[in-house]
Amino acid sequence: DAGVIQSPRHEVTEMGQEVTLRCKPISGHDYLFWYRQTMMRGLELLIYFNNNVPIDDSGMPEDRFSAKMPNASFSTLKIQPSEPRDSAVYFCASSTDPKQPQHFGDGTRLSIL
Amino acid sequence: GQQVMQIPQYQHVQEGEDFTTYCNSSTTLSNIQWYKQRPGGHPVFLIQLVKSGEVKKQKRLTFQFGEAKKNSSLHITATQTTDVGTYFCAGRSLGGADGLTFGKGTHLIIQP
Repeated sequence: DAGVIQSPRHEVTEMGQEVTLRCKPISGHDYLFWYRQTMMRGLELLIYFNNNVPIDDSGMPEDRFSAKMPNASFSTLKIQPSEPRDSAVYFCASSTDPKQPQHFGDGTRLSIL
Repeated sequence: GQQVMQIPQYQHVQEGEDFTTYCNSSTTLSNIQWYKQRPGGHPVFLIQLVKSGEVKKQKRLTFQFGEAKKNSSLHITATQTTDVGTYFCAGRSLGGADGLTFGKGTHLIIQP
């Protein structure tokens, strides 16, 4: 079975540029979660979707961050404009139900110069 | 908002020694999950606890959920080098949103 697929695995870009992270959840999983991981703040929930609808985006740090889920098999997290403090590993996870285990992708390691 | 505190942040042990990490929530939890993340990897689900006072075992790992459902612990007996990684607890508030709040994790370093 294919797990959660994220792309790109690594992204290095200059501040001010737009960054788009992509995620394909496990088929049949109705919940999709975006996390950011840094040494200082740990693993933070940014936003999650249920059946493609954003449910809670209270973790999105600023208006520069936006997330979409146009269909059940694809989601994007966009940062525009990017800043050096956005450098982190971004994980996407999916699950069948919020009470069930979350399956994480391999993450995108983002570096903003 | 809900906070989940985890201690210690780092733990160095000799191979064969035991290891324990503790997790405390500022609110009562409906359930708690534990994840392990290997260096350079992604979090991988280990177990979920739901009932007050619940204890579950997976080989050398023992997980406990407190009676008040506000704290939890993970104990590893006789650590092995394969246990290296960061162990996270993640809780969901009773009556709260569906999202998990993760602790900052305990980094387990094992010296052979």
